[in-house]
Amino acid sequence: GAVVSQHPSWVICKSGTSVKIECRSLDFQATTMFWYRQFPKQSLMLMATSNEGSKATYEQGVEKDKFLINHASLTLSTLTVTSAHPEDSSFYICSAAGTYTNEQFFGPGTRLTVL
Amino acid sequence: AQSVTQPDIHITVSEGASLELRCNYSYGATPYLFWYVQSPGQGLQLLLKYFSGDTLVQGIKGFEAEFKRSQSSFNLRKPSVHWSDAAEYFCAVDEGGGGNKLTFGTGTQLKVEL
Repeated sequence: GAVVSQHPSWVICKSGTSVKIECRSLDFQATTMFWYRQFPKQSLMLMATSNEGSKATYEQGVEKDKFLINHASLTLSTLTVTSAHPEDSSFYICSAAGTYTNEQFFGPGTRLTVL
Repeated sequence: AQSVTQPDIHITVSEGASLELRCNYSYGATPYLFWYVQSPGQGLQLLLKYFSGDTLVQGIKGFEAEFKRSQSSFNLRKPSVHWSDAAEYFCAVDEGGGGNKLTFGTGTQLKVEL
């Protein structure tokens, strides 16, 4: 199957700083990428959907100015958590879908801890 | 809004025993249905999916799932569990009909006793 990578796999930062997470589709062109957030022992919650070259569509309740998403190329999307606070600590997962597939391929996730 | 319910938070089975993980959904039409497995440090892996047709779907790693419209269920089964099947399992529903905007259940943590 298609491979999606995320970098970094974990990050610890101080409150007030910004953190960027990268999501890459390694062997296919991802026209659509998705960003999810997963709290411990809970399900994945969709944060936003981004199409290459377009602005991301955020789910209700997700602050777009706090979670900046860029999908500038068909193989890369980034999520920037701006002015991070401890409540932003979570597991962030991206997925990618190509033009001719209705399957999402998931990255391994990024563990963010904000001190 | 659609919802997905996985009633069992934790399940423990002995290696070699059969397994059934339950999934119920709430949606007006017949949605696209998925089962994913999540292992520590790894991304979610698709086990199987149902879009239409035969209601018994075969997946990877020996898993199968049966769509029952009358019960709004899509339970995952495996005849004989292996220790390597220990992981978190998520049922998901696609409201858009194309692998987009997945709504996930809360997951079932499977433990396998040797």
